[in-house]
Amino acid sequence: AQSVTQLGSHVSVSEGALVLLRCNYSSSVPPYLFWYVQYPNQGLQLLLKYTSAATLVKGINGFEAEFKKSETSFHLTKPSAHMSDAAEYFCAVSDGGRDDKIIFGKGTRLHILP
Amino acid sequence: GAGVSQSPSNKVTEKGKDVELRCDPISGHTALYWYRQSLGQGLEFLIYFQGNSAPDKSGLPSDRFSAERTGGSVSTLTIQRTQQEDSAVYLCASSLNLGTGPYEQYFGPGTRLTVT
Repeated sequence: AQSVTQLGSHVSVSEGALVLLRCNYSSSVPPYLFWYVQYPNQGLQLLLKYTSAATLVKGINGFEAEFKKSETSFHLTKPSAHMSDAAEYFCAVSDGGRDDKIIFGKGTRLHILP
Repeated sequence: GAGVSQSPSNKVTEKGKDVELRCDPISGHTALYWYRQSLGQGLEFLIYFQGNSAPDKSGLPSDRFSAERTGGSVSTLTIQRTQQEDSAVYLCASSLNLGTGPYEQYFGPGTRLTVT
């Protein structure tokens, strides 16, 4: 069975500082990995996805994530946080099969300090 | 075109009542998913529809929950005899699954259900 673990339900960073949101996955097959963002009172929006093409994946709004098989990790980073980045972030895993069922982590709420 | 829409956006109901939540997926999307989002619990998969295939109901928490998708488009999630633990945000997503994935899932804004 597949699963993801997000370390830290809440993360606070200062505006302009590095953002690092941690995600570790478990999968018996080569995984597809995703990061989604949920702004207040909105649905989820895809930030980026890993599909085995390149280990460093760039997404929207300056975010990127690196797939590290040896560490079973897919951490999300952004060099410089902006106030508008305050949201909840979800890491997710799929085996890419026909049903394309995606398993989500419990989420990390990112707080940006002025 | 329009994204995924859900209605109502908010629903308050009394314990024991039945509720229906509606999802309008993106036109042409073959797959439709329902998730439940509870505080601090992430997203819980409920049910998945793909084309004309039998739905994957493996995530439904009890037989009080059911869903249907009419004409391969609109879906309704029904919760019978609601309980307080059913209070959550119910999210719908759709995607264009044409074979081996992964395909991006597009999410609606959700329906916030409160059972009093």
